[in-house]
Amino acid sequence: DTAVSQTPKYLVTQMGNDKSIKCEQNLGHDTMYWYKQDSKKFLKIMFSYNNKELIINETVPNRFSPKSPDKAHLNLHINSLELGDSAVYFCASSQGQGGGQPQHFGDGTRLSIL
Amino acid sequence: KNQVEQSPQSLIILEGKNCTLQCNYTVSPFSNLRWYKQDTGRGPVSLTIMTFSENTKSNGRYTATLDADTKQSSLHITASQLSDSASYICVVSATGTYKYIFGTGTRLKVLA
Repeated sequence: DTAVSQTPKYLVTQMGNDKSIKCEQNLGHDTMYWYKQDSKKFLKIMFSYNNKELIINETVPNRFSPKSPDKAHLNLHINSLELGDSAVYFCASSQGQGGGQPQHFGDGTRLSIL
Repeated sequence: KNQVEQSPQSLIILEGKNCTLQCNYTVSPFSNLRWYKQDTGRGPVSLTIMTFSENTKSNGRYTATLDADTKQSSLHITASQLSDSASYICVVSATGTYKYIFGTGTRLKVLA
């Protein structure tokens, strides 16, 4: 059983389009995250939700809008896609925030902007 | 500024050999330090988590050490296997925040 699943795995689209990435976790965790991994493989947090409440919003352009319909889901919608948005986006979940519990990551969504 | 730096950037070793990866951080106040393994095309997987009071933790052939005074950690891999080829990422979190600060990782290649 997949613990953290993201869809789609690959996303190729043109500049200016709007797209969404979905994430679901079946671990019963109360906290979910979105990370962006750039071409240099550096992971940077974008958003974090705890019990559907936004707790981290890291200077991300407002073209990115997360939505958490329930504790098990955290979706990411991106408007007006730009070339610089090309990256791998990872969803993760944990029980609690910042403490001694590990984060569980999905396998990423590879976004390519043409 | 909270930062996490890892060295070396990349490393090539022969199967069966041991190796040690380094992580230096300036995150304060320190809460915990994690090591993750990221295989190509996959998400990171947690190897170890250490809090301030712990100075060593093992997970199979992986042993992490922590010196909170010098703000350094190392990940030692014993008897390396081909499947150890991956990126190893050090992550530090600060007390009172919900943030994780990621290092840029060490890319390890194990050759037969």
